Amino acid sequence: AQSVTQLGSHVSVSEGALVLLRCNYSSSVPPYLFWYVQYPNQGLQLLLKYTSAATLVKGINGFEAEFKKSETSFHLTKPSAHMSDAAEYFCAVSEAGGGADGLTFGKGTHLIIQP
Amino acid sequence: GAVVSQHPSWVICKSGTSVKIECRSLDFQATTMFWYRQFPKQSLMLMATSNEGSKATYEQGVEKDKFLINHASLTLSTLTVTSAHPEDSSFYICSARWLVAGAFNEQFFGPGTRLTVL
Repeated sequence: AQSVTQLGSHVSVSEGALVLLRCNYSSSVPPYLFWYVQYPNQGLQLLLKYTSAATLVKGINGFEAEFKKSETSFHLTKPSAHMSDAAEYFCAVSEAGGGADGLTFGKGTHLIIQP
Repeated sequence: GAVVSQHPSWVICKSGTSVKIECRSLDFQATTMFWYRQFPKQSLMLMATSNEGSKATYEQGVEKDKFLINHASLTLSTLTVTSAHPEDSSFYICSARWLVAGAFNEQFFGPGTRLTVL
C-alpha cells in the first residue's frame, strides 16, 4: 500500500520569502510523485511530477521539487513567494508504473502568503 | 490539449433524489477515468476506477449501489448518486487518462462538481 504524509496543514510565509512544503511518501515499489495546486472551488492543476527521470523536477509558476529516495521525500519549494501562490497544495503518489492506478493524496497544505 | 470537463459544476438536490454527474474528455480518448470525492478542507479520496466498456472498480468502503458509475464511451463517464442524503454532500472530481503501454500515463483532472443535498 502507498501513502503520503504532508507535514503542516497550514504554512504561512511572507511575500518574497522561500516556500517549502513537505511531503513524505511510503511505497513498496518505485513511486511516481506529483504536486497539485487547488484554488477554492476548483479542480486540481498539476504543478510538477517525478516519473523516475531527473530527481530535481521543475514545474510551473517557479516551483520545483526534489525526489530523495533515502529520505522518502518529495518536498516542494519556490524561492520567492507571490500573493497568487496562496492556495491548497496536494502531494500525491502513484505506485503502479505508468500511472495506471488512481492517485493517493496527502491531506493537503494550505499555503498562506503574508503581505 | 488534454482537457477534462464536468457537468454540472454545482447541483443542489433534495434528499432522496438521484443526481447524475458527467465527466468528459474533450480532446482525447480516455481509456480510464477515476472518480474522487473531497470533503470540505480535506484531501481527495479515490472512489472508483472506471475503464471504458467494463464495470467500475470501487475502493473499499464505497457503496457501488449508491454511486453508480458508467463509462460507456471513450470520452464520457457518469457518476450517479442514488437516493442522495445530506452526508453525500461533497465536491466530486473526475480525472481521465489514456493508456499507452510503456509510457507514463498522466491523469488530467476535471474542475469538479459541488453537490449539496438538502
